Amino acid sequence: GAVVSQHPSWVICKSGTSVKIECRSLDFQATTMFWYRQFPKQSLMLMATSNEGSKATYEQGVEKDKFLINHASLTLSTLTVTSAHPEDSSFYICSASSLAGGPQKETQYFGPGTRLLVL
Amino acid sequence: SQQGEEDPQALSIQEGENATMNCSYKTSINNLQWYRQNSGRGLVHLILIRSNEREKHSGRLRVTLDTSKKSSSLLITASRAADTASYFCATERYGGSQGNLIFGKGTKLSVKP
Repeated sequence: GAVVSQHPSWVICKSGTSVKIECRSLDFQATTMFWYRQFPKQSLMLMATSNEGSKATYEQGVEKDKFLINHASLTLSTLTVTSAHPEDSSFYICSASSLAGGPQKETQYFGPGTRLLVL
Repeated sequence: SQQGEEDPQALSIQEGENATMNCSYKTSINNLQWYRQNSGRGLVHLILIRSNEREKHSGRLRVTLDTSKKSSSLLITASRAADTASYFCATERYGGSQGNLIFGKGTKLSVKP
């Protein structure tokens, strides 16, 4: 099956710093990548959708200047949490899909997640 | 409001028993998907059922979809301890952006050996 990786798997940072999380599709070209956050014992909440080469579409209530998303290639999307604060501590998960058809179409393949702790 | 709502929130069974989880949603959909998440990990796609399908099987998994009731069920037969995880349904809304999934709150399944 399609494989999506995330890096780092966990990160601890000081309040006010920026953190970059990478999401890579390893064996297919992802035309679309999605970023979610998940608080403990809760469901995934979609933050934004990014298409390769275009600006990300953010969900209502998600600050685009705080959560910078770049999808520069068909295999890589990055999420940068700028000026992180303790309330940004969460589990961030990316997923990737391809509209080009094949087994990836309609199905999102999820990365293993990145746990962020802001002190 | 949240699209998918799973029921029950938690389920504890013995190995070998069947586990049934239900999901309800509120708007018309293109498809409904079930995912599994082990504690602290990413999600694993289990099965996708389209709005024009009523039932689908994959190994020990059986998914049904009733669009008139806006509900779906996931049945895991002959459960194993390794099936212990949280299970989420996710819907792709009809007319929405492709791939824009809305997740339910999940059912936490515990299978005791």
